[in-house]
Amino acid sequence: GQNIDQPTEMTATEGAIVQINCTYQTSGFNGLFWYQQHAGEAPTFLSYNVLDGLEEKGRFSSFLSRSKGYSYLLLKELQMKDSASYLCAVSDGDYKLSFGAGTTVTVRA
Amino acid sequence: GAVVSQHPSRVICKSGTSVKIECRSLDFQATTMFWYRQFPKKSLMLMATSNEGSKATYEQGVEKDKFLINHASLTLSTLTVTSAHPEDSSFYICSARDFRADNQPQHFGDGTRLSIL
Repeated sequence: GQNIDQPTEMTATEGAIVQINCTYQTSGFNGLFWYQQHAGEAPTFLSYNVLDGLEEKGRFSSFLSRSKGYSYLLLKELQMKDSASYLCAVSDGDYKLSFGAGTTVTVRA
Repeated sequence: GAVVSQHPSRVICKSGTSVKIECRSLDFQATTMFWYRQFPKKSLMLMATSNEGSKATYEQGVEKDKFLINHASLTLSTLTVTSAHPEDSSFYICSARDFRADNQPQHFGDGTRLSIL
């Protein structure tokens, strides 16, 4: 099975940077995904890492270390609309996704 | 980009009713689709993997006879919640990935909010 841990909540100020950590222990690994989910809506894809290192996409970056079972999502220049839940998900060899419980990020003015 | 359409977006019905939810991949073919359930303030829990042309694979604890899955074509999977009861009220979300491309993300439908009275 999969064991995926991420913090429950984080709060930051508009314009600031927030880093959401995710650790995982999995029986198989075919990549790690980050999704954003606003309340009452379906998740939307943010980033994907399968090799070690940093992937940058505009204000969002994601890092992966497979040997450490660790990833983080970095949100820069926070905007109010970034207030949402951020889900770390690991794909096993059959492309099934196992999700962490999600980190609720609250951006304050 | 890839788009997944899910219908209906919201269902309110009486206990004992069966409810069918459709999931379509609009601009790609999906041999595999996934069905998730999400309770309030909880994460997504995988219910089953829908396989085109064969039986679905259910996760442990998910009743096959309760949640019927049909994946009759490369672009459509359906989930039927049979004889739904209040405890089945939840947010049901499907996802699909383009089978032609490795390392592609799953794309999610907009979800179906099911409320059983």
